[in-house]
Amino acid sequence: GAVVSQHPSWVICKSGTSVKIECRSLDFQATTMFWYRQFPKQSLMLMATSNEGSKATYEQGVEKDKFLINHASLTLSTLTVTSAHPEDSSFYICSARNALAGEPDTQYFGPGTRLTVL
Amino acid sequence: EDQVTQSPEALRLQEGESSSLNCSYTVSGLRGLFWYRQDPGKGPEFLFTLYSAGEEKEKERLKATLTKKESFLHITAPKPEDSATYLCAVQARAGKSTFGDGTTLTVKP
Repeated sequence: GAVVSQHPSWVICKSGTSVKIECRSLDFQATTMFWYRQFPKQSLMLMATSNEGSKATYEQGVEKDKFLINHASLTLSTLTVTSAHPEDSSFYICSARNALAGEPDTQYFGPGTRLTVL
Repeated sequence: EDQVTQSPEALRLQEGESSSLNCSYTVSGLRGLFWYRQDPGKGPEFLFTLYSAGEEKEKERLKATLTKKESFLHITAPKPEDSATYLCAVQARAGKSTFGDGTTLTVKP
C-alpha cells in the first residue's frame, strides 16, 4: 500500500520548452501532495504544497509562474516546468499524504524525475 | 525556525558492525518525526514515523527511537544492502516538514 508513481522517470528537453511531470497515488487518495527538488548530494528542497481542488502554496523563492502545479484529483498532481532553462535541471520528487490514513502525517514519495535541460 | 541536523554526514561500517545514526531537531511543536531511506537516483522510501518521546519502532535490522531533542536510527548487524542515505524529517504542528541533509551509510562486506 501507499504507492506513488511519477512519470516520466527522466526527460531531456531543449531550453525554452515546457515539461510536464505527473505524480499519481496508486492505491490511496492523496489529500495533500508535495513537490520537491533535490540537487546532487543535497537534501530535499520543498517547492510547493498542493491540496486537491485548491491552488498550490509555493515556498519562498519558488516562481509560481515557472513551476505550475495542478492537483485536479485526489490521485493526480502535475508539475509543469515552463520555458525550462539549464538551471532548472534537477531531480524532481513528489510525495503524497493521506489525511484519512492511520498515520496521516506520513509522506510517501514517488521515484523521482530526472530533468535535463540542454 | 525548525531545524534538523543529522550526524554523522557519512558512516562506513563493516558488515555486521552495529551503529547508530543521529537526528537532532528543534521544532515548534512536534507533530511527527520521520525516517526515510534513499537510494541513489530514487525517491525516499518510508521507514518509520515517531510521534512522542519514548516511542520506539523496529523493522528488520533497523530500530528508531525518539527523545524530546533527538532521534536515533540503530542499525544492528548491517548488511551491504543497507547501504543508502538515511533521511530524517520533522513535522511541526503547523504542518510543514523539514528534512535533514541525511547520513550516507556504506556497509562493506
